[in-house]
Amino acid sequence: EVQLVESGGGLIQPGGSLRLSCAASGFTVSSKYMNWVRQAPGKGLEWVSVIYTDGSTSYTDSVKGRFTISRDNSKNTVYLQMHSLRDEDTAVYFCARDDQGFYWGQGTLVTVSS
Amino acid sequence: SYELTQPPSVSVSPGQTASITCSGDKLGDKYACWYQQKPGQSPVLVIYQDTKRPSGIPERFSGSNSGNTATLTISGTQAMDEADYYCQVWDSSPYVVFGGGTRLTVL
Repeated sequence: EVQLVESGGGLIQPGGSLRLSCAASGFTVSSKYMNWVRQAPGKGLEWVSVIYTDGSTSYTDSVKGRFTISRDNSKNTVYLQMHSLRDEDTAVYFCARDDQGFYWGQGTLVTVSS
Repeated sequence: SYELTQPPSVSVSPGQTASITCSGDKLGDKYACWYQQKPGQSPVLVIYQDTKRPSGIPERFSGSNSGNTATLTISGTQAMDEADYYCQVWDSSPYVVFGGGTRLTVL
């Protein structure tokens, strides 16, 4: 069964750092484009970042220079390292496999607040 | 950057047909996907490549995409279809674009 399980969310102060993990099963993360998408409370979906099969990456403008996506093929896991967190980064962060459409994990909540 | 526009809300009576639109410049030149999201749950892919249904998605869900508009159609709408629906395309920058979402109310 194909599954994505996110972890690492929590309450963090503005300016802090957090690393999210997305553990995959049923497929290999290096064979698919893997994405992070976030959803602020009561708001819509916002694409954050992608890591392509060749290892290259792309980010939405608001997180460039602050967030880094990576993967560990040996652990079949994708990460999102987040630095300099802001109040507006508060959201549920979903990991999603791009397979002619997105297939999603359950999400992990990140709350940035003092 | 590319933008997709959806109506904030659509209402439909049970058993009737619901249509949710998604507008964008030359949208018909891109592949569109649609997602259903119920409260407290992750989004679920219901249409990909404009018209295709993933395994397990009921036949009452269908899609089209031409010109500047993609449309998700739900025939014989059921109470369980009440949810938020999002359209999505791939672009250059940003790589992925979502519409603002449409709340479907079945009443």
